[in-house]
Amino acid sequence: GEDVEQSLFLSVREGDSSVINCTYTDSSSTYLYWYKQEPGAGLQLLTYIFSNMDMKQDQRLTVLLNKKDKHLSLRIADTQTGDSAIYFCAEWGSYIPTFGRGTSLIVHP
Amino acid sequence: DADVTQTPRNRITKTGKRIMLECSQTKGHDRMYWYRQDPGLGLRLIYYSFDVKDINKGEISDGYSVSRQAQAKFSLSLESAIPNQTALYFCATSDRTGRFGYTFGSGTRLTVV
Repeated sequence: GEDVEQSLFLSVREGDSSVINCTYTDSSSTYLYWYKQEPGAGLQLLTYIFSNMDMKQDQRLTVLLNKKDKHLSLRIADTQTGDSAIYFCAEWGSYIPTFGRGTSLIVHP
Repeated sequence: DADVTQTPRNRITKTGKRIMLECSQTKGHDRMYWYRQDPGLGLRLIYYSFDVKDINKGEISDGYSVSRQAQAKFSLSLESAIPNQTALYFCATSDRTGRFGYTFGSGTRLTVV
């Protein structure tokens, strides 16, 4: 089946930029998403990008899509302690969205 | 009120007991889903429903059943709970286009002892 891969952990210092990477296999993906899960909470949609776009920026968040390499990244500028969470990459292709296992972002003061 | 409401939020039950987790949504979406989350394993799909008369098994449906009582309600049952069903369970909804992704509930933390 289709697969979405992401690293499990990322540790950064407060104020630095964070970059979370994701690769996927479904070439028919229409939308690609980033979700954020804070402790004890459900997943919340952070941002999404349509497959015919290369980049999307929303305040501190920048999403880059390399469709040729099937690579998606999420950059968080000026990372704050409140950004500590699990970030899930997901893709919506032909049927059911597929999620990665999530990247735990740890922000050190 | 939340767009997707799950009840209960937490539940401890004994091995062999039947338990139902409930989900209701106010988004007006046709599609509803049940996932379980285990540390390090991400989200795994249990069942999904594209409309009231359409219910499908996900990748880990064994030991679970579902009921789509109405467009807005989708419940998950564990017929005879076992300890390895201890997990965080999420209900989610989506429209047909996928443009806005999923809307998730806050989750039910289930512990089977």
